[in-house]
Amino acid sequence: DGGITQSPKYLFRKEGQNVTLSCEQNLNHDAMYWYRQDPGQGLRLIYYSQIVNDFQKGDIAEGYSVSREKKESFPLTVTSAQKNPTAFYLCASSKRQGGSYEQYFGPGTRLTVT
Amino acid sequence: SQQGEEDPQALSIQEGENATMNCSYKTSINNLQWYRQNSGRGLVHLILIRSNEREKHSGRLRVTLDTSKKSSSLLITASRAADTASYFCATDDGLTNFGNEKLTFGTGTRLTIIP
Repeated sequence: DGGITQSPKYLFRKEGQNVTLSCEQNLNHDAMYWYRQDPGQGLRLIYYSQIVNDFQKGDIAEGYSVSREKKESFPLTVTSAQKNPTAFYLCASSKRQGGSYEQYFGPGTRLTVT
Repeated sequence: SQQGEEDPQALSIQEGENATMNCSYKTSINNLQWYRQNSGRGLVHLILIRSNEREKHSGRLRVTLDTSKKSSSLLITASRAADTASYFCATDDGLTNFGNEKLTFGTGTRLTIIP
């Protein structure tokens, strides 16, 4: 079964705690992305990575950190510096080249911080 | 920043009718994509149209692109209850050239198909 997995589906944390969201893909895609979605809104790009050991900030990177040590994995850490962390987080991946630009999305993690 | 803006924000139609959603964007693009999102789920890619294309079909979907007006439309024909979802347009920023363009998503159209 090829695809992107995100875990857990629901996550609850107390304010002030860091939390790491998992994203794994077995599509052999080079590029991976993290988005945040707030209720009734579109997706906003947090971080993206086009190759192992390299990543770039997106539009709303403050309070988040990522790593890309393996091609298959792109974990996102929501730090205590993120002022409004409660949101739906989506991970995606895409091929690096070949004219195929579509992104494949995981099922998402809904994070609630109280 | 929101590159794409969908219109309308919400649309309710009877099953069997056609649904049309529009997307407007601000800057030049390499391509425009449409995605569907069922409630509480990830997005699913529907169709991609390149800047040198004017119309594209995929099953019951028809997408048009007018680069002079910086707009696109998504038409779903003969709608079904299973088409109930949010639909997003996404544009690349045209700044990278090696196949990993960043996408900017609009705020979406919430489509409800009434059985």
